[in-house]
Amino acid sequence: SAVISQKPSRDICQRGTSLTIQCQVDSQVTMMFWYRQQPGQSLTLIATANQGSEATYESGFVIDKFPISRPNLTFSTLTVSNMSPEDSSIYLCSYLGGSQEKLFFGSGTQLSVL
Amino acid sequence: DAKTTQPPSMDCAEGRAANLPCNHSTISGNEYVYWYRQIHSQGPQYIIHGLKNNETNEMASLIITEDRKSSTLILPHATLRDTAVYYCIVNGPNSGYALNFGKGTSLLVTP
Repeated sequence: SAVISQKPSRDICQRGTSLTIQCQVDSQVTMMFWYRQQPGQSLTLIATANQGSEATYESGFVIDKFPISRPNLTFSTLTVSNMSPEDSSIYLCSYLGGSQEKLFFGSGTQLSVL
Repeated sequence: DAKTTQPPSMDCAEGRAANLPCNHSTISGNEYVYWYRQIHSQGPQYIIHGLKNNETNEMASLIITEDRKSSTLILPHATLRDTAVYYCIVNGPNSGYALNFGKGTSLLVTP
């Protein structure tokens, strides 16, 4: 499996600002996904990011709030815009890989909004 | 709308087998059963998956009932490092391979 890394690993931000999270995979992958994990909760899918097309957002998530870029087959970014304390969560990127369609996850970005 | 049902928590003594059940009564014919786990402060980790046959790898065994409406993940010799939240997920090509995580089972392995 390819190595997947996220940065920053954690950040503390002021409300009203934006944070861009980067996700890098060390080999080319077709499908990447972004998830949110609120404190004490399970993971919720934000969007699917495929190279060459706009991200597909799940219900409850909109592009203006969570713009996603996928400029090539190894890289994606998620921006959390105009942050409020309710955006405090762990944000995880993942990719679909392996011959049997497994998801591999980064270690996540712990975001705290004050 | 959850496609799987798991007990919220389980305990297991170190060295014993941990048997984690999952109900997925609405599973479709082309959907697989996946198991992932999340150790505290880490991203989820793939464990195993299967369609209808029982599967075994270096981490665990997966037993799927003949009617495919339930399954059991078996950790044959649980260690303290197996303490984690275990997620049973049903997924297939029609779902776009994006996994929808339920609440999972919090497994505590005790000395």
